[in-house]
Amino acid sequence: DTGVSQDPRHKITKRGQNVTFRCDPISEHNRLYWYRQTLGQGPEFLTYFQNEAQLEKSRLLSDRFSAERPKGSFSTLEIQRTEQGDSAMYLCASSFQPTGPAAAQPQHFGDGTRLSIL
Amino acid sequence: AQSVTQPDIHITVSEGASLELRCNYSYGATPYLFWYVQSPGQGLQLLLKYFSGDTLVQGIKGFEAEFKRSQSSFNLRKPSVHWSDAAEYFCAVGEAGGFKTIFGAGTRLFVKA
Repeated sequence: DTGVSQDPRHKITKRGQNVTFRCDPISEHNRLYWYRQTLGQGPEFLTYFQNEAQLEKSRLLSDRFSAERPKGSFSTLEIQRTEQGDSAMYLCASSFQPTGPAAAQPQHFGDGTRLSIL
Repeated sequence: AQSVTQPDIHITVSEGASLELRCNYSYGATPYLFWYVQSPGQGLQLLLKYFSGDTLVQGIKGFEAEFKRSQSSFNLRKPSVHWSDAAEYFCAVGEAGGFKTIFGAGTRLFVKA
């Protein structure tokens, strides 16, 4: 168990630029989540993958955000035309459960990517 | 909609003292309940979980939590706090039949010598 890995750990960019983050989940985990966390708040759900299928996407996620999980392994989260309000910690988490409710399974979190928009 | 309330934004306790962090949830049925801990600059780590059965659950690092259906609460406790317990603690509810986990806003724990 090498843990959930996220890259980069920090990203500083100018407003209007595009950014892409990568998440490598624990290898046998079939479920993958993206969250956004701002200062003083808990993680907010962004999107969820079961294997390669994106099954749910938060209404918080504007059209500027897109996530993929090709082949059901690593995942990427892209933000286009970044805005000041996108500054946050972006957390990835994974879990394994072949059947049953996804929300019943504890999640393993990466250390996050901190995004700062200048 | 499900929600999680952690009434205390921050708590300070002396090292060696007992600790109780409060969590209240809003949900019609028995929820999936979790406590996570987050150290600065890091991701969240699971402390313990409750799905059903015994309402007192034991977790890692000497933590325990008690599910009280009548009070819609799932408070986290530790009998003797160590300086290394200083961190942010999040209570969370799993969306029954769905995918989401809803997190509270967190309680930051400070430990004084």
